[in-house]
Amino acid sequence: GAGVSQSPSNKVTEKGKDVELRCDPISGHTALYWYRQSLGQGLEFLIYFQGNSAPDKSGLPSDRFSAERTGGSVSTLTIQRTQQEDSAVYLCASSSGRGEKLFFGSGTQLSVL
Amino acid sequence: GEDVEQSLFLSVREGDSSVINCTYTDSSSTYLYWYKQEPGAGLQLLTYIFSNMDMKQDQRLTVLLNKKDKHLSLRIADTQTGDSAIYFCAERKRDSKIIFGSGTRLSIRP
Repeated sequence: GAGVSQSPSNKVTEKGKDVELRCDPISGHTALYWYRQSLGQGLEFLIYFQGNSAPDKSGLPSDRFSAERTGGSVSTLTIQRTQQEDSAVYLCASSSGRGEKLFFGSGTQLSVL
Repeated sequence: GEDVEQSLFLSVREGDSSVINCTYTDSSSTYLYWYKQEPGAGLQLLTYIFSNMDMKQDQRLTVLLNKKDKHLSLRIADTQTGDSAIYFCAERKRDSKIIFGSGTRLSIRP
């Protein structure tokens, strides 16, 4: 597609449930990033994929968070046993191999009740 | 630490220049960015500068980079009401991790 696509755009879940958030990067982009933006806050780095290299998971806040990137394209961020503090907008971004421009999706608004 | 630092708020009069400042963390960062986020919207890349440059100008926007002090600034000339937004500074580290600041909320006074 023309831009970074994220789904769902909104997700409401109950505390303790697992959720999966999806990101479709721009075709041909080898780098993919996940960020979290809590209400009124900045962007918190979560995880970064580059090509076939091992991902940089240094920003994942706990072992309840994991992410995969299949076939070097689509990525799924999974949050297990969701907590209320997980409520935030989860943003995905991608860039080409040179990486000087990062393009963002519209985000998934996650609400944990 | 890994914190990119920005002041939280800036208020300027319409027509004046706005200057948003940022301090980043890694002297070997390759690219420095400015993103804009309008209410209810996603992040839009405004401009970026490669680390071997001191200045970049793009219409009303001027980016200044001081590598010695790890300081980045964004100047918006002739600030308009449409410039009201949150502005995020970001750095691309050597390992390609891109770290964002907490954003500066720019408000415009009539």
